[in-house]
Amino acid sequence: DVKVTQSSRYLVKRTGEKVFLECVQDMDHENMFWYRQDPGLGLRLIYFSYDVKMKEKGDIPEGYSVSREKKERFSLILESASTNQTSMYLCAHGGLVEQYFGPGTRLTVT
Amino acid sequence: GQQLNQSPQSMFIQEGEDVSMNCTSSSIFNTWLWYKQDPGEGPVLLIALYKAGELTSNGRLTAQFGITRKDSFLNISASIPSDVGIYFCAGQLPGAGSYQLTFGKGTKLSVIP
Repeated sequence: DVKVTQSSRYLVKRTGEKVFLECVQDMDHENMFWYRQDPGLGLRLIYFSYDVKMKEKGDIPEGYSVSREKKERFSLILESASTNQTSMYLCAHGGLVEQYFGPGTRLTVT
Repeated sequence: GQQLNQSPQSMFIQEGEDVSMNCTSSSIFNTWLWYKQDPGEGPVLLIALYKAGELTSNGRLTAQFGITRKDSFLNISASIPSDVGIYFCAGQLPGAGSYQLTFGKGTKLSVIP
């Protein structure tokens, strides 16, 4: 069974706070991804990583940063949370093609 | 970026009916994937297709990789209430950097018992 865990299912933060979302996979996959999902906009790629300490910007990286210190762990950081970052955040990992998603974190910024 | 046009956007069907949805693009894709997302959960991979013309089944689900490589179809036979959810198609473009996927916006399926 493919397993990927995300640190929280639901999170409420205040504007301006620093927010850490963590993702851990147990499949030894090279590639890890962070998406956000909003109604009507679908899945949008924020950042991805193809190796430890490597990162690439996705389609909407503004306001976010990432960290990958270990192969199994990929963190998404909101340096100063804003209300427009209220969303569902999904982590995924994969090999050559398929991506496997975590359960998601529903983040609300007030 | 590239777009995947997924249709229909939503559908309401009676339990027991068959369902068909599709994904089209103006670009050629190397791989097509189909996911299902239950409310409040992450998408789960249902079927992966790797070559043009391929037809693959997973239980009551059947998906096909279009012969032009620009489309894919998902069929669900004899729908049941637990089929409710959002179905996403995703494709991998030739030469896609670091194995990125392009996603459709989903088909929301409702099943009336």
